[in-house]
Amino acid sequence: DVQLVESGGGLVKPGGSLRLSCAASGFTFSGYTMNWVRQVPGKGLQWVSSISTGGSYIYYADSMKGRFTISRDNAQSSLFLEMNNLRVDDTAVYYCARGSSGFAYWGQGTLVTVSS
Amino acid sequence: DIQMTQSPSTVSASVGDRVTVTCRASQNISRWVAWYQQKPGKVPKLLIYKASSLENGVPSRFSGSGSGTEFTLTINSLQPDDFATYYCQQYNSNSKTFGQGTKVDI
Repeated sequence: DVQLVESGGGLVKPGGSLRLSCAASGFTFSGYTMNWVRQVPGKGLQWVSSISTGGSYIYYADSMKGRFTISRDNAQSSLFLEMNNLRVDDTAVYYCARGSSGFAYWGQGTLVTVSS
Repeated sequence: DIQMTQSPSTVSASVGDRVTVTCRASQNISRWVAWYQQKPGKVPKLLIYKASSLENGVPSRFSGSGSGTEFTLTINSLQPDDFATYYCQQYNSNSKTFGQGTKVDI
């Protein structure tokens, strides 16, 4: 079965940094575009970033450009999101999701709380 | 970035009703639209991709249509399990923006 398991969330102060990880299993990780999506509790979904199969093509939502860095390690079947200069409004559950024509598989999410 | 505008934000319906949710894109996105269902405390579930293709295992009462800038998700004969929030998403461009969501409640 396809599994995506996020980790690395937690409480961080404004201006701080955090690195999220997503461990994938049950499929050939290197064959799929991967994504990060976030959701403020009780609010809507916001696409954060996508990375192509080999990591050559990377895209970010405008509000994350310059602060967030997506990467992947195909050998370890892992996806990462490095988040710097975090703001209070970055507080959300962060999901990793598989796919490029609709996100068919999602992890359970990891909560990032940015607060002083 | 391409904006996706969903309407209505909330729809009140009853079991057995037909429900329609609309999504409008800020520019032509061909048929590169997906629809998701999300229940409280759960992760989103992909229902439809490429505007009208039903994801495996999704009941046939769900259907999607549209192209260009106007897209529709239709739920025929609403079931108790369908009360949830629905999101559209475009993946025509390098950004994969979501609509703001439509809550279907009783």
